[in-house]
Amino acid sequence: GAGVSQSPSNKVTEKGKDVELRCDPISGHTALYWYRQRLGQGLEFLIYFQGNSAPDKSGLPSDRFSAERTGESVSTLTIQRTQQEDSAVYLCASSYHPGTAYNEQFFGPGTRLTVL
Amino acid sequence: GENVEQHPSTLSVQEGDSAVIKCTYSDSASNYFPWYKQELGKRPQLIIDIRSNVGEKKDQRIAVTLNKTAKHFSLHITETQPEDSAVYFCAASPYNFNKFYFGSGTKLNVKP
Repeated sequence: GAGVSQSPSNKVTEKGKDVELRCDPISGHTALYWYRQRLGQGLEFLIYFQGNSAPDKSGLPSDRFSAERTGESVSTLTIQRTQQEDSAVYLCASSYHPGTAYNEQFFGPGTRLTVL
Repeated sequence: GENVEQHPSTLSVQEGDSAVIKCTYSDSASNYFPWYKQELGKRPQLIIDIRSNVGEKKDQRIAVTLNKTAKHFSLHITETQPEDSAVYFCAASPYNFNKFYFGSGTKLNVKP
């Protein structure tokens, strides 16, 4: 079946504008993660959704960042009043893990965000 | 929170040699440790993982070892091939997998 998809693949925006990034997880995957990867660096955890539970937002770097997910479907990551330091690749991943069981998380291709 | 450190940042080996990448973590609550391979411009892919109740795991040319007491784990690649060239990331996650903390990555270059 289809893997994790993200859109847009590239986004160039001006400082101060809002952007919305979209993630379509693998069908049936209960968990969804957002990460930020700055150039040449590791992945930075942003937020975690698991089923209908309250999301874990502990990785969001500021209140300009927010994310939503309806049930076990699409998720959107919104960055308000973008800053140049927000420039990075934003990766989404999904996995199936009911309760405390865990299965591999599969990554999407990422959205490359450039803030001018 | 958890802090994962990864060394070395770059590693160059001759084809056929072994490569070892090391990671340390700080939070004793972490108990799942995956390794990812990321080729240039591509998404990370899981290559091997280990849980805290296991000390070593092997899959063909790749092995991972875990020392929970010392809070470190390592990736071992034997008989390296040029196609092993990529950036490798270690990560740590607590028992409920609600977040993953990644190392800063190791760029492995396998010279033919």
